[in-house]
Amino acid sequence: EPEVTQTPSHQVTQMGQEVILRCVPISNHLYFYWYRQILGQKVEFLVSFYNNEISEKSEIFDDQFSVERPDGSNFTLKIRSTKLEDSAMYFCASSVTSPPTQYFGPGTRLLVL
Amino acid sequence: AQSVTQLDSQVPVFEEAPVELRCNYSSSVSVYLFWYVQYPNQGLQLLLKYLSGSTLVKGINGFEAEFNKSQTSFHLRKPSVHISDTAEYFCAVSDLRDTGGFKTIFGAGTRLFVKA
Repeated sequence: EPEVTQTPSHQVTQMGQEVILRCVPISNHLYFYWYRQILGQKVEFLVSFYNNEISEKSEIFDDQFSVERPDGSNFTLKIRSTKLEDSAMYFCASSVTSPPTQYFGPGTRLLVL
Repeated sequence: AQSVTQLDSQVPVFEEAPVELRCNYSSSVSVYLFWYVQYPNQGLQLLLKYLSGSTLVKGINGFEAEFNKSQTSFHLRKPSVHISDTAEYFCAVSDLRDTGGFKTIFGAGTRLFVKA
């Protein structure tokens, strides 16, 4: 069964550094999403992406964040200058159509020191 | 504004007992409703969804949920739980925004703890 994959599974970085989280959505899916989950808290929507552009974003998704689909298979989330409070589990999801039945990847645990 | 409330943060229950995890939502437009399960140190797995049609939806692992529009609820139920159902359960609501994109809001989660 096809699944969403994410790399790396864990990443440790220093405050102020740039990080890129990578996702490979399910191949025939057209809609892509990023979420984050701070330890012990709920899952928070960051951004949705369709047809090579952002279709919706939350207030969390500020200028420090960007997304890209560089090569037709990968979907990346970049944090330009990480802050301590960016430490969280980041989930990628994809859906084939709308309304969105989203399939989630296993997540990347980001720790900012 | 869109919101999701999961009324119970933790639900302890004995094995083979029935369970109901409550979810209420608010939204100004038509919504799509989902329940996800998260096992320790894992991602989110879709349990079931309501998009349209029958208000009673059945999902994986013997779970079901009923969409009640008048009460704006989407409670999750299972008639007999197993130890392996111990996990965090998240209710989620998606609606179509003016931008044409969907935004999904998750509830805070309910930790189901099944005891032997």
